Amino acid sequence: GAGVSQSPSNKVTEKGKDVELRCDPISGHTALYWYRQSLGQGLEFLIYFQGNSAPDKSGLPSDRFSAERTGGSVSTLTIQRTQQEDSAVYLCASSKEGSGGYNEQFFGPGTRLTVL
Amino acid sequence: AQSVTQLGSHVSVSEGALVLLRCNYSSSVPPYLFWYVQYPNQGLQLLLKYTSAATLVKGINGFEAEFKKSETSFHLTKPSAHMSDAAEYFCAVSERNAGNMLTFGGGTRLMVKP
Repeated sequence: GAGVSQSPSNKVTEKGKDVELRCDPISGHTALYWYRQSLGQGLEFLIYFQGNSAPDKSGLPSDRFSAERTGGSVSTLTIQRTQQEDSAVYLCASSKEGSGGYNEQFFGPGTRLTVL
Repeated sequence: AQSVTQLGSHVSVSEGALVLLRCNYSSSVPPYLFWYVQYPNQGLQLLLKYTSAATLVKGINGFEAEFKKSETSFHLTKPSAHMSDAAEYFCAVSERNAGNMLTFGGGTRLMVKP
């Protein structure tokens, strides 16, 4: 079956612009995660959705970052008023269920965001 | 808060040599532990995971890792390196019953010399 897909694969934007990054999880996976991979900070957790529960937003670095998940499937990560420090690869992952912490997370190929 | 330390951001081995990538975690309660591999311009792929069954865990591509509670370690090994093993390796943990998000180590880039 299809894996996790993300679009676009690359995004170049100007400082101050808003961007939207999309993630399509594996069908049937109820949990969805966003991570950020940057040279300075490594791999960081951003936000976690589990079913219809309120998302865990504890990893979002500022209020310029937000995410939503529609219909329990597709998710969009939005970054408003982008800054150069937002440049990174944004990774999406999904898993069968979120409770317990032991289920394998399947990662997408990422979106490389460059803020000029 | 959890933290994961991977000693050595770069490791170089000869083809056929033993691979040893180190991972230590900080937690008062043994977490779930994972090793992921990332090939250039690709996403992360799970190599293996420890979820409190056997302490020696076997994964894909001939890799294995041993959970040692007394040392809070989960080092990754492979008896004989292959050129195709060149990639970046990440150790990660998730806390039991405290959400499912992964906390990653800084990564180790493995280089394999012919």
